[in-house]
Amino acid sequence: AQSVAQPEDQVNVAEGNPLTVKCTYSVSGNPYLFWYVQYPNRGLQFLLKYITGDNLVKGSYGFEAEFNKSQTSFHLKKPSALVSDSALYFCAVSVGNFNKFYFGSGTKLNVKP
Amino acid sequence: NAGVTQTPKFRILKIGQSMTLQCTQDMNHNYMYWYRQDPGMGLKLIYYSVGAGITDKGEVPNGYNVSRSTTEDFPLRLELAAPSQTSVYFCASSTGTSGDTDTQYFGPGTRLTVL
Repeated sequence: AQSVAQPEDQVNVAEGNPLTVKCTYSVSGNPYLFWYVQYPNRGLQFLLKYITGDNLVKGSYGFEAEFNKSQTSFHLKKPSALVSDSALYFCAVSVGNFNKFYFGSGTKLNVKP
Repeated sequence: NAGVTQTPKFRILKIGQSMTLQCTQDMNHNYMYWYRQDPGMGLKLIYYSVGAGITDKGEVPNGYNVSRSTTEDFPLRLELAAPSQTSVYFCASSTGTSGDTDTQYFGPGTRLTVL
């Protein structure tokens, strides 16, 4: 069965510090992994995805994610957090030919001034 | 280019009532999806469609129906609303040209409460 886990319900970080939001996955076949961000009362916005190739993927708003096949992880990172990064972050894996997504439970990121 | 639009934004239903959540995309995407998001949970796939006239069940289809008569529209129907269907509903679409590597684009959501 396909699954995605986000082990932290909440991550707190001070503005200017680096941030990491964790994601691990379990899929059969090739993992195609995505990160989305959700601001309050809004839909999900695409940040980045890993398909193949370089294990470090760069995305929108200065975010990047590191794919680690041996650890089955796809952690989201940013070198210097902004207060405006505070939001809910979702990791997802795409499965099958019809691009069906399985989502993690989400991690709330709080960036304090 | 509006992307994915959903109506209504909010709705309160009584138990047993029915309603249709509307979803429209103007990106000429082949694939469309309906998800529900419950508090503290990730999104769960309800139904999806890979083209006009073609739909299939996702993880949590019970209590819902869909149709896809055009490329642009993918309405979700609740026939007999139950409190367990209180949730936020998101519609999404993707091109369908790259299989499982496509990015999905999401609408703003419909917040539904069943009392």
